[in-house]
Amino acid sequence: GQQLNQSPQSMFIQEGEDVSMNCTSSSIFNTWLWYKQDPGEGPVLLIALYKAGELTSNGRLTAQFGITRKDSFLNISASIPSDVGIYFCAGPYSGAGSYQLTFGKGTKLSVIP
Amino acid sequence: GAVVSQHPSWVICKSGTSVKIECRSLDFQATTMFWYRQFPKQSLMLMATSNEGSKATYEQGVEKDKFLINHASLTLSTLTVTSAHPEDSSFYICSAISPTGAYEQYFGPGTRLTVT
Repeated sequence: GQQLNQSPQSMFIQEGEDVSMNCTSSSIFNTWLWYKQDPGEGPVLLIALYKAGELTSNGRLTAQFGITRKDSFLNISASIPSDVGIYFCAGPYSGAGSYQLTFGKGTKLSVIP
Repeated sequence: GAVVSQHPSWVICKSGTSVKIECRSLDFQATTMFWYRQFPKQSLMLMATSNEGSKATYEQGVEKDKFLINHASLTLSTLTVTSAHPEDSSFYICSAISPTGAYEQYFGPGTRLTVT
């Protein structure tokens, strides 16, 4: 099946540092979505990517759609304490036409003030 | 735009009782909604796809008679956990397809269910 592998699983960084995380798959994806989930809340959509090679920013967040269509990266610049949370990548099931998403296992980010 | 709400945000019930969770799209119509379950420190697990006006599609291993889904209008889907047991305790999250289409899903804030 389609699996999304996220790395790292968790990371501890100092406030102000830049962060980079990625998501890979053995299958090709035509869409990559990045979500952030705070404890006890539902995931919030950060960035959506639809074209191979696409680079999209949302404030301090930048995500890229890998050229091979098998990976995506999320970067956070100048991290702040409210960046703490779990970041999930997601992509649609192939050929389903049902708009279902498969999710990675998440990268847990901790920011040390 | 694209706001999804859930009610209740948390519920405690006794074993053997049923619990209904509501998912509403507040500012758009959602012909398709999804129900997920999330255990602590784990990712989201899709339970079922809820389609307005038709039967829900359940993922493999999800008991449709236990997790009843009703999508009676374009803004409301409900999940009823019937004859709940402690192992049903979990975080249940719904989502709806973005009104702009594509694959973007907007999530509700989740419902924490505890069965005692």
